Amino acid sequence: LAKTTQPISMDSYEGQEVNITCSHNNIATNDYITWYQQFPSQGPRFIIQGYKTKVTNEVASLFIPADRKSSTLSLPRVSLSDTAVYYCLVGSSGSARQLTFGSGTQLTVLP
Amino acid sequence: GAGVSQSPSNKVTEKGKDVELRCDPISGHTALYWYRQRLGQGLEFLIYFQGNSAPDKSGLPSDRFSAERTGESVSTLTIQRTQQEDSAVYLCASSFTPRLAGEHEQYFGPGTRLTVT
Repeated sequence: LAKTTQPISMDSYEGQEVNITCSHNNIATNDYITWYQQFPSQGPRFIIQGYKTKVTNEVASLFIPADRKSSTLSLPRVSLSDTAVYYCLVGSSGSARQLTFGSGTQLTVLP
Repeated sequence: GAGVSQSPSNKVTEKGKDVELRCDPISGHTALYWYRQRLGQGLEFLIYFQGNSAPDKSGLPSDRFSAERTGESVSTLTIQRTQQEDSAVYLCASSFTPRLAGEHEQYFGPGTRLTVT
């Protein structure tokens, strides 16, 4: 079972780039890395997913080094509305139980 | 509807009573998940349905918890003889069948907030 470790909280200011790193030392060969965003009183929302190297979409980038033991979610030019909890999730289709959400990182964007 | 819906949005029940929570997944999604989220904590996996395969019930915390799914549509999570420790938000998510091993882009509903008094 791939366990993930993330910082509990981070603060940033509007307009800055934010990087949140997740450690997953025992990631398995078939595991993908997925990041979700959760606002208070809402269900999590998919942000980005990757297997290796770099993935970019309209809202974020995901950097995964060659050993895949960590990953970094990069949010460019954050705004106040990016204040949320961000979860790193590592798992495969072998068993949904392996899709374990940790406690997440509370990102607070300050004006 | 366009997204995953859950009902009720809030449920207050007395200790010892049974409750039933409902989830309507996105049409066409073959996979359905239930999670529990206690206040200020991460999501705890409960159960996973994938098409006609036997559900993965490995996350259910006790035999008081059970879930059913009708084909690839509605799912109900039932908690019998509720306890105060069952108080949490219960989240449902659905997804397409993973194209590749590891792909699990889940779409979550708004959750049901259960309070056991």
